[in-house]
Amino acid sequence: RKEVEQDPGPFNVPEGATVAFNCTYSNSASQSFFWYRQDCRKEPKLLMSVYSSGNEDGRFTAQLNRASQYISLLIRDSKLSDSATYLCVVNARGSQGNLIFGKGTKLSVKP
Amino acid sequence: DVKVTQSSRYLVKRTGEKVFLECVQDMDHENMFWYRQDPGLGLRLIYFSYDVKMKEKGDIPEGYSVSREKKERFSLILESASTNQTSMYLCASPPGSSVGTDTQYFGPGTRLTVL
Repeated sequence: RKEVEQDPGPFNVPEGATVAFNCTYSNSASQSFFWYRQDCRKEPKLLMSVYSSGNEDGRFTAQLNRASQYISLLIRDSKLSDSATYLCVVNARGSQGNLIFGKGTKLSVKP
Repeated sequence: DVKVTQSSRYLVKRTGEKVFLECVQDMDHENMFWYRQDPGLGLRLIYFSYDVKMKEKGDIPEGYSVSREKKERFSLILESASTNQTSMYLCASPPGSSVGTDTQYFGPGTRLTVL
């Protein structure tokens, strides 16, 4: 079983749509969870951390279900500028700074 | 503001050449990582280092070596470049040594082509 799995997409949505990405991870010892955003031919950048209680940052909401080992990212009122690849990330076996990256889900927001 | 820099954005080398990719961070971080990213394969960890002169193999260390002589600099070395090492190479560094502070900050990447 792969350590972090995501639907590769692409997700093609119109502006203003709500889109949800899902991710599962295999290591129950993982303690840190993140969503990264990567634009074409650029480096990944942290979008937001994911907490057990769920967290929101503007139009973005992240949720974590430890029992199911499942992470989600919801984007509301999507903008053209949201077009990117979204990477689900967990730390590796509870170690320090060593992260496992999903392969990413590509989002394309159309006018 | 955190900053991770890489010596080159684009690099073209020939098969058999020795290649050095340099990464520098100005954040006084202890940990530094080298990844490669390929379409359909995502980010894969090559090597990482938790301190000066320390190195640990990642998931795909074959064909690579690293050097960490100074805290701020972590070099990736391709001893004899091969065409299957054509890839995007990303250096990263997290801000802390404790779980929960292990967000990675990435350099801009080096797109290496081996002919």
